[in-house]
Amino acid sequence: EVQLLESGGVLLQPGGSLRLSCAASGFTFSSYAMTWVRQAPGKGLEWLSTISGSGGSTYYADTVEGRFTISRDNSKNTLYLQINTLRLDDTAVYYCAKDRVPGIAAVRLDNWGQGTLVTVSS
Amino acid sequence: DIQMTQSPSSLSASVGDRVTITCQASQDINNYLNWYQQKPGKAPKLLIYDASNLETGVPSRFSGSGSGTDFTFTISSLQPEDIATYYCQHFANQPRFGPGTKVDIK
Repeated sequence: EVQLLESGGVLLQPGGSLRLSCAASGFTFSSYAMTWVRQAPGKGLEWLSTISGSGGSTYYADTVEGRFTISRDNSKNTLYLQINTLRLDDTAVYYCAKDRVPGIAAVRLDNWGQGTLVTVSS
Repeated sequence: DIQMTQSPSSLSASVGDRVTITCQASQDINNYLNWYQQKPGKAPKLLIYDASNLETGVPSRFSGSGSGTDFTFTISSLQPEDIATYYCQHFANQPRFGPGTKVDIK
């Protein structure tokens, strides 16, 4: 059974940084592209970033490029999202999700974690 | 950047009704479109991929169609457990989700 477990959500002040983690199990992690999606309170879903299975290719939404960094450690079956210079509008539930098909980063997200809440407040 | 619109933004229907949601892309996205269901407090769930393919384990009352810029998602017979918000999502280039359609029981 595929399991994705996010962690790292916290209450932080604007300008701070944090790293979210997503621990994966139940599938060959290194074969699948992985994605981060967030959802602000009461709002819709926002794609943030995708990383290939090897980690060699990364993709970002224009709105977060330069401030967010996606990475993965295939030896630990873990996905990361580094967020710098936090802003109030980064407040959201952050989900990690797995691509449906191995080998390509197509962003067909067939398994999702339960999400981790990041709150940015002064 | 390809924008996605969905209509309606919300709807209320009776159990057993046929429900249709439309999603429009600002440019041709071929069939690079998925549909997700999100229940309150839960993570989204993939229902339809590549515009018309039913994800494994998803009831057959859910279906999708379309190509290019215009897509349709249908629930053939609405059930109480289908109360949720439904999102389309393209992956033609920078992936983007539609704004969502909230489905309620009348």
